[in-house]
Amino acid sequence: EDQVTQSPEALRLQEGESSSLNCSYTVSGLRGLFWYRQDPGKGPEFLFTLYSAGEEKEKERLKATLTKKESFLHITAPKPEDSATYLCAVVVTGNQFYFGTGTSLTVIP
Amino acid sequence: KAGVTQTPRYLIKTRGQQVTLSCSPISGHRSVSWYQQTPGQGLQFLFEYFSETQRNKGNFPGRFSGRQFSNSRSEMNVSTLELGDSALYLCASSGGRGSYGYTFGSGTRLTVV
Repeated sequence: EDQVTQSPEALRLQEGESSSLNCSYTVSGLRGLFWYRQDPGKGPEFLFTLYSAGEEKEKERLKATLTKKESFLHITAPKPEDSATYLCAVVVTGNQFYFGTGTSLTVIP
Repeated sequence: KAGVTQTPRYLIKTRGQQVTLSCSPISGHRSVSWYQQTPGQGLQFLFEYFSETQRNKGNFPGRFSGRQFSNSRSEMNVSTLELGDSALYLCASSGGRGSYGYTFGSGTRLTVV
């Protein structure tokens, strides 16, 4: 059964304290992996797409990497405005999307 | 350009009633997907429409249905509402076949009382 698991469920960081979020997946026919950011009461906001193992993408303090079994979202020197829920999703053959349940990140000033 | 627009933003309904939610995708996007988001289950896929045809369907009961119009706008209907249907319903659009990556709307918060 196709599955996406994110860890940890929640993460509290001091401002400037770097860390990583994990997204592991067990799917057949992976076509791509996505990272989204979601603020309370809003829809997810697209961050990155990764298509093949070894690929990396960066945007400001965020860097996403992909291996054959998992993806990491690295957050370098986070700021309070980075507080949000980060969602990982995979798309498989047939254009079916599977989302993880997210990691709730809180950055304390 | 305008993003994905969902209406209404908030809705309160009584058990047993039915509800219709609306989604206008980004101009030019032909694929519209619907998701249910709850604190315990996360994002659950409901269905996807492409060029007025349902392309994929998640594991939801038949009370949940949808349709897409020729202008790509989509509606989702839930009949005989249950308390457990209370959730944030999200619509997302993408460019279509072979075009990955969704743009989400802000969602409709449905509360069933």
